[in-house]
Amino acid sequence: TQLLEQSPQFLSIQEGENLTVYCNSSSVFSSLQWYRQEPGEGPVLLVTVVTGGEVKKLKRLTFQFGDARKDSSLHITAAQPGDTGLYLCAGGKADSWGKLQFGAGTQVVVTP
Amino acid sequence: DTEVTQTPKHLVMGMTNKKSLKCEQHMGHRAMYWYKQKAKKPPELMFVYSYEKLSINESVPSRFSPECPNSSLLNLHLHALQPEDSALYLCASSQRGLAGAGWYFGPGTRLLVL
Repeated sequence: TQLLEQSPQFLSIQEGENLTVYCNSSSVFSSLQWYRQEPGEGPVLLVTVVTGGEVKKLKRLTFQFGDARKDSSLHITAAQPGDTGLYLCAGGKADSWGKLQFGAGTQVVVTP
Repeated sequence: DTEVTQTPKHLVMGMTNKKSLKCEQHMGHRAMYWYKQKAKKPPELMFVYSYEKLSINESVPSRFSPECPNSSLLNLHLHALQPEDSALYLCASSQRGLAGAGWYFGPGTRLLVL
C-alpha cells in the first residue's frame, strides 16, 4: 500500500508550458521532500518542506506543503527539456525516523 | 560539498561471487542508508546506520551484509546473490537530529546478477 499517492503517473508537455504534480496522503507527515531522478542516476534533492502551508520557490519550481501536512504539490513554470525526469515525493514522520515513504513517482517529459 | 560517491558504477556478478559496494560522504552526516531500486519503482529502504551503528534492517536477506567502518564510509557486502537481486543500489546520507533534513543520494551502483 502506497502511503503517498502521486498524480499524474506520466506527463508529457511542450517546452514553455506549465505543469503541476500532486502528492497526496491520508497521513500527516512531519516533512515532505521532492526529488528529481534521471535514468541510471540517484535521486537529487530539490526541496524539503516542514511547515503546514509552506511555499518554497526554486527558480521556476514552486513547492507547496498542505496546511494539514498531508499533501504537497510541485508546480513548474515555463518547462524546459532539462526538467525532464522522474519526480518523487517522499514523506518523513517523527515517530519513524530514518524511514522515508516514497510516492510511486511522476515521469515528466518536456519536448522542445 | 553535497556529494555522495558510490563505487563501482556498474557490477556484474555470478551467484557464487562475493563483492562489495562502497559509499562515501564528507558532509558530516551521521545517518547513512542503503536503498534498492527496481526499474520504474521508487527506492526501497534496506538498511539505516545512525552514528555508525545499524539502526534499521528492513528484513533484508542475510546475503546482503552492511558495514559502516567510520562516519564517512558505508559498505554493502554481497554474497550468493540471486538474479532477482539485480537492481540499482543507492546510498544516501542525511543529518541526524535535524527536523526536515533532506536525504542526499549517490549516483548508485547498477548490479546485474547472472
